[in-house]
Parts: sequence; C-alpha cells; structure tokens
Amino acid sequence: AQSVTQLGSHVSVSEGALVLLRCNYSSSVPPYLFWYVQYPNQGLQLLLKYTTGATLVKGINGFEAEFKKSETSFHLTKPSAHMSDAAEYFCAVSDYGNNRLAFGKGNQVVVIP
Amino acid sequence: DTGVSQDPRHKITKRGQNVTFRCDPISEHNRLYWYRQTLGQGPEFLTYFQNEAQLEKSRLLSDRFSAERPKGSFSTLEIQRTEQGDSAMYLCASSLEYVGAGAPDTQYFGPGTRLTVL
Repeated sequence: AQSVTQLGSHVSVSEGALVLLRCNYSSSVPPYLFWYVQYPNQGLQLLLKYTTGATLVKGINGFEAEFKKSETSFHLTKPSAHMSDAAEYFCAVSDYGNNRLAFGKGNQVVVIP
Repeated sequence: DTGVSQDPRHKITKRGQNVTFRCDPISEHNRLYWYRQTLGQGPEFLTYFQNEAQLEKSRLLSDRFSAERPKGSFSTLEIQRTEQGDSAMYLCASSLEYVGAGAPDTQYFGPGTRLTVL
C-alpha cells in the first residue's frame, strides 16, 4: 500500500526565510502526490498536486514542489515565509485506480517574526 | 458553489450513545469520502461513495460505523455505542471523477465534525 513520510512534526521558520517541508513516498506504481494545508478549525485546502508531466509543480500562495522519482520525494518549498503561512501541512499520495488518499502525519509550521 | 459542508461542527456525547454526522458535498460531485483525523495525525481514509454506491471501506470502519449516501447527494456517518477511542475529527471530502480518466480529481474537504466521547 502507498504511504508518505513527513519528518519533524513542528517546523519553525523566520519570516522571510525559506520554507522547506520534506515528503517521501512509497508506492508500487507511479504515484499521484498532493500537498494540503489546514488552518485552525478549517478543512484541508489543496496547495498543489502532481499527476503526470512537469515535475516542478506550482501551487497557491507561492508554494511549489518538485517530484523526484529517483529520490521518491515531493518536497514543498516557498522562498519567503509569511506570517499567514503558519498552519499544518500534509503530504498525501494516491495511485491510479485507488481513490483513497494516504496522508503523512503533517508538519506544524510556526513563523517567527 | 458553496463548498463541502458538515453538520454538526462539534459533538460531545457520552460513551455508549449513538451519534450521526451529515455531509453535504459540492453539488455536482459524484464522489464522496469520509476520513478520520486524530490528534497529531494525518487524516485516515474510512470509506467512499460513487453516487449512492459505497465502493470501498477501510478496516478502520468497524461494524459500529455505518455510512450512507441516499440518492447520491448528502451522506451520513453513524457511530453506534460510541467509545472514547472514537474521539476524533471526522472529515468529509467530495470530488468529480470521470470513469477512465486516470488521474484522480482534487478532493475538496469540509471543515469537519469534532467528536468528543466522555
């Protein structure tokens, strides 16, 4: 079964600094990969997704992620953190014919002024 | 398009009681999913519907749990004889899937129902 690993439950980043959240996946077939963000008391919102094609995927709010098959990774980055980026971020994987999303444990991002 | 809505947003119940949650998906979406999220964890898949048909159930969905989607519109998730271990956030998501399309469509999530079992 497919799965994802997110290391470091809490990530602190200074305002204006690079945001880097790591995600490694395990899948026996070509994966579809997603990053979702969850703000307090709200549902999950899709940041970006990789299905096929270009391996560098741009999402909302200035985030992007790169699919690297050789490293089984899909790390999320943003060049300059903003206070509004404070939230919990989840990486997820699904594959063709399997509609369920398998989520990682999440990263709680704290932005330090 | 008003998004996915869930009701209630919060539910506190005593152990042994039955509870029912409702999810209203985005109107044109034919797929509806239920997930459970416990503290410090990512959401875990419970079950999903294609229109009114329940196509897959996770092993997490014990026989105390039942989900329905009559007429392929809203869905209900019922938990019978609640246990303290059922305390969690229950998330609903919907998507528009085309048969044979290959890549899955985006799942849009509701705000969740937070269940506390005392």
